[in-house]
Amino acid sequence: DAGITQSPRHKVTETGTPVTLRCHQTENHRYMYWYRQDPGHGLRLIHYSYGVKDTDKGEVSDGYSVSRSKTEDFLLTLESATSSQTSVYFCAISTLGGSGKKIGLNEQFFGPGTRLTVL
Amino acid sequence: GENVEQHPSTLSVQEGDSAVIKCTYSDSASNYFPWYKQELGKGPQLIIDIRSNVGEKKDQRIAVTLNKTAKHFSLHITETQPEDSAVYFCAANSPGAGSYQLTFGKGTKLSVIP
Repeated sequence: DAGITQSPRHKVTETGTPVTLRCHQTENHRYMYWYRQDPGHGLRLIHYSYGVKDTDKGEVSDGYSVSRSKTEDFLLTLESATSSQTSVYFCAISTLGGSGKKIGLNEQFFGPGTRLTVL
Repeated sequence: GENVEQHPSTLSVQEGDSAVIKCTYSDSASNYFPWYKQELGKGPQLIIDIRSNVGEKKDQRIAVTLNKTAKHFSLHITETQPEDSAVYFCAANSPGAGSYQLTFGKGTKLSVIP
């Protein structure tokens, strides 16, 4: 699992409340990603980070913000949760920038996921 | 940007038979093509990948082939077993401004019937 943990693993919240999901990695990878997974849509990129305080938007970033104040932690925040944000959220790291044969290879490894339900 | 199409969306095979999942991509500059297996309730797991300078790669019962001219790549699983039942995703990595991103297909649900 490449040393990736996500918390919480399950959360039920109400429309309009703020929610923060945490991704933690132990292997000092530079690149981290947040995806959401919905039936019929596969995996869609929300935001990604290429270093501390360096983030960029993905395909479905509206309604989400991220922060990365430490290499090991990447936070995803829903400022005001909506029912359309009910989904399973996955964090991933990439081996980009790694050593040896991994240099330049965007191998991504995923965390166990967080199931979020917005009522 | 890159667009990845994956077929079929569902696939049922008898145990011991082979399974083939196909993906096409749109960006001829894409240079890395991983495949993921996702079991129920778990995160996607990288099972095999191929770079654009290689035509085929094998790892025990699974293999991936790449046809750069036609812009398609395939996952082949031989001698399928019930534990191969899962959702499989293909992906493509384009260089350039979006080189940090993978674009995923929508997935194939494989069922291996004992």
